[in-house]
Amino acid sequence: ILNVEQSPQSLHVQEGDSTNFTCSFPSSNFYALHWYRWETAKSPEALFVMTLNGDEKKKGQISATLNTKEGYSYLYIKGSQPEDSATYLCAFFDNQAGTALIFGKGTTLSVSS
Amino acid sequence: NAGVMQNPRHLVRRRGQEARLRCSPMKGHSHVYWYRQLPEEGLKFMVYLQKENIIDESGMPKERFSAEFPKEGPSILRIQQVVRGDSAAYFCASSPFGQVGQPQHFGDGTRLSIL
Repeated sequence: ILNVEQSPQSLHVQEGDSTNFTCSFPSSNFYALHWYRWETAKSPEALFVMTLNGDEKKKGQISATLNTKEGYSYLYIKGSQPEDSATYLCAFFDNQAGTALIFGKGTTLSVSS
Repeated sequence: NAGVMQNPRHLVRRRGQEARLRCSPMKGHSHVYWYRQLPEEGLKFMVYLQKENIIDESGMPKERFSAEFPKEGPSILRIQQVVRGDSAAYFCASSPFGQVGQPQHFGDGTRLSIL
């Protein structure tokens, strides 16, 4: 059974703090890793799709790195703002497991002003 | 450009009834994915469809559940003879191409409650 683990499950920081969370996935048969941002009462919104070992992607103050050999990705938020409060999901695609994206349960970030 | 539209947003059914959930993908997208989120769980893949074809239904329960994406009109997820355990949020996503290197665009979901 393919499993995607995200940690921590939840996180509370103060405005201006920088933070990071982890997504772990099986390192064999890697094809792609997706990060989504999911605000309460809205739909998940794509942040990054990463396919190459060593990939680094950036969108504003949010960035992500990918290590396919050891099976992890980090998401970093620099200078968190209250509007960054959301659940951050990662999803993994295995090359031999059909066409399904396998989602982790997410890390819920709460930023206080 | 309208995003992925799902309706209804909330659906209440009694045990044994049928539930029909609709999803209109983003304009220009011909690939649709359905996911289910059970309470306290993450998003779980159910089925992947392209216009008039089911590409992968490996995540779909074998009985009572079916999905279609006709040439014209929205994609439909149909649950027959609903049971309490079907209570969940059902999300639809779409993409222009069926490649997992492409991000998926999600709708707001349908919250299904079974009485």
